Amino acid sequence: DSGVTQTPKHLITATGQRVTLRCSPRSGDLSVYWYQQSLDQGLQFLIQYYNGEERAKGNILERFSAQQFPDLHSELNLSSLELGDSALYFCASSATSGGQETQYFGPGTRLLVL
Amino acid sequence: AQSVTQPDIHITVSEGASLELRCNYSYGATPYLFWYVQSPGQGLQLLLKYFSGDTLVQGIKGFEAEFKRSQSSFNLRKPSVHWSDAAEYFCAAYRRGSYIPTFGRGTSLIVHP
Repeated sequence: DSGVTQTPKHLITATGQRVTLRCSPRSGDLSVYWYQQSLDQGLQFLIQYYNGEERAKGNILERFSAQQFPDLHSELNLSSLELGDSALYFCASSATSGGQETQYFGPGTRLLVL
Repeated sequence: AQSVTQPDIHITVSEGASLELRCNYSYGATPYLFWYVQSPGQGLQLLLKYFSGDTLVQGIKGFEAEFKRSQSSFNLRKPSVHWSDAAEYFCAAYRRGSYIPTFGRGTSLIVHP
């Protein structure tokens, strides 16, 4: 158990819908990262937040957004969902925001868009 | 462009045999390097990491990895594989000062009894 929690574990929804994925980092970790894992793209970095502020952006679509709250939990919002958004979404946390940091991953949320 | 390559998509070994999973990176300078393992339906678990210093790194579950600057490699090894090691293994790297890691496509390890 990494100490990072994600809810829900599974999500099934329809095209055009909007969903919210939730992540709670390890106690004391200020950084939260979001990743998408799919068969064709592999593991792709989406976005990072550090202590409530966006720190880095990767291959995140405009239909996707995220935020980190004062209690440091984070939410990833996916809207206007398409079939191709079906994937595993991981959250990871780390104590710092750069330098010799290690990311610890949550168990993931499996999203299926029908 | 920065990249991490895991040349082997699948590797099959017999239980008790030794294992080596390959990872090559392409970065301007030596990045920070990691190996993660993902069991089916699970998240990624950190096996080991290299920041600097001793080029042979020990990790959990009996794994080790060796950093070779001349070959831009960070190969993962285990002297004797157990059936429970069957999983997907990911090599990752990020440039010092960056916040964004790059992951390899993964190597699926199959263990025969």
